[in-house]
Amino acid sequence: EPEVTQTPSHQVTQMGQEVILRCVPISNHLYFYWYRQILGQKVEFLVSFYNNEISEKSEIFDDQFSVERPDGSNFTLKIRSTKLEDSAMYFCASSGDGSQETQYFGPGTRLLVL
Amino acid sequence: SQQGEEDPQALSIQEGENATMNCSYKTSINNLQWYRQNSGRGLVHLILIRSNEREKHSGRLRVTLDTSKKSSSLLITASRAADTASYFCAPLRYNTDKLIFGTGTRLQVFP
Repeated sequence: EPEVTQTPSHQVTQMGQEVILRCVPISNHLYFYWYRQILGQKVEFLVSFYNNEISEKSEIFDDQFSVERPDGSNFTLKIRSTKLEDSAMYFCASSGDGSQETQYFGPGTRLLVL
Repeated sequence: SQQGEEDPQALSIQEGENATMNCSYKTSINNLQWYRQNSGRGLVHLILIRSNEREKHSGRLRVTLDTSKKSSSLLITASRAADTASYFCAPLRYNTDKLIFGTGTRLQVFP
């Protein structure tokens, strides 16, 4: 069964450094999402992406964050200058049938900012 | 808010028993999705029920939706130790595609 994959599974970085989290959505899906979960807290929506544009973004998704679909298979989340509070599990998701249909999540990237 | 609130926060049962989790929300919705999360792992989609549906089944899962009461329930029948996880409901409003998760129900199934 097709699934969303994410790399790396774990990332440790120093505060102020840039990180890029990578996702490969399910191949025929058109809608892409990033969510994050700070340890012990709720899963939070960050951004949705369709047709090479951001469809919707949350207040968390400020100028330090950006997303890109650099080719036909990858979907990336970049954090330009990481902060301690960016430490979290980051989940990518994709949806194929429409923007309001089932979202399939990847296994996540655990980001630790020191 | 769109966020679903799950109840109870925690539930402990023996293998073979049924587990029922409830979800309440406040806005009109297009659909409601249930997810499972094993500790520290990704979210696994369980079932999607649309606003014009009242009940849906998938294997040992039964989901109901009452839009007049703005509530949903997830029933897991004949539970197994492997069902131990946190369960979340995510109501989805029209004109948005962001899922808003609550704190979930932590289900513990003892062998």
